[in-house]
Amino acid sequence: NAGVTQTPKFQVLKTGQSMTLQCAQDMNHNSMYWYRQDPGMGLRLIYYSASEGTTDKGEVPNGYNVSRLNKREFSLRLESAAPSQTSVYFCASSIDSNQPQHFGDGTRLSIL
Amino acid sequence: LAKTTQPISMDSYEGQEVNITCSHNNIATNDYITWYQQFPSQGPRFIIQGYKTKVTNEVASLFIPADRKSSTLSLPRVSLSDTAVYYCLVLMNTGFQKLVFGTGTRLLVSP
Repeated sequence: NAGVTQTPKFQVLKTGQSMTLQCAQDMNHNSMYWYRQDPGMGLRLIYYSASEGTTDKGEVPNGYNVSRLNKREFSLRLESAAPSQTSVYFCASSIDSNQPQHFGDGTRLSIL
Repeated sequence: LAKTTQPISMDSYEGQEVNITCSHNNIATNDYITWYQQFPSQGPRFIIQGYKTKVTNEVASLFIPADRKSSTLSLPRVSLSDTAVYYCLVLMNTGFQKLVFGTGTRLLVSP
C-alpha cells in the first residue's frame, strides 16, 4: 500500500524555470492538498482540492497553480520559479475534507 | 481558527512517559484538537484527535480538561524512535479541515 506518492523527491531549478510536482494517492480519498514547509517552520497550505473537479486557494497560493487531474492525482505547478519558493513540498490526502490527512514524504525543491 | 501554543522543545529518556501540553485559549464550541507527528525528511503523520475528556489509541492518549483551553498529548514509555516534532492543531468540527501548523514541539529522546 503506497499511500501518497510524490515525484520527484529532489529537484534543483534555475530562477524562471517551470516545474510540475506530481502527487498520487491510492487510498480512494476525495480530498487532496499541497503544503510547503520552510526550514524550522510548520507547514503552510498552498492549494487544496476538497473533491475531484474542485480546487481552492490556501494560505500561500501566489506563484503556484494546481490541477486535480482525476481522483488519484493532484499536481502543483510553478510557472516561473523564484528563490523564495525553495522549500520542501508535501502533498496530502484525506477521505473527506474533515478527516485526518495522510502525507507523502515530500519533494525537496531548490531554486538558484 | 484558534491559535495554539506549545513548548518549543522537550527532552526525555527511553522508557519515560512524556506529556506535551498545548494551550488553545480561544477554542470554539465546535472545534476539536488534533495532534500530528513529523520525523525528519518525512511528512506529518496523524496521531490522535479528540473533543473532550480523554481519548486513547495504540500510540498515545489525549487529555482535554472541561474548559478545553488546553490539551495534553501523553506518550507512554517513549523510545528513541519517538524523537520527532509534535504539532497540536485546533480544527473546526464541520467543513473543510484547514490545517494550520505552528512550529511544534521538538521531542528528543535519549538512551
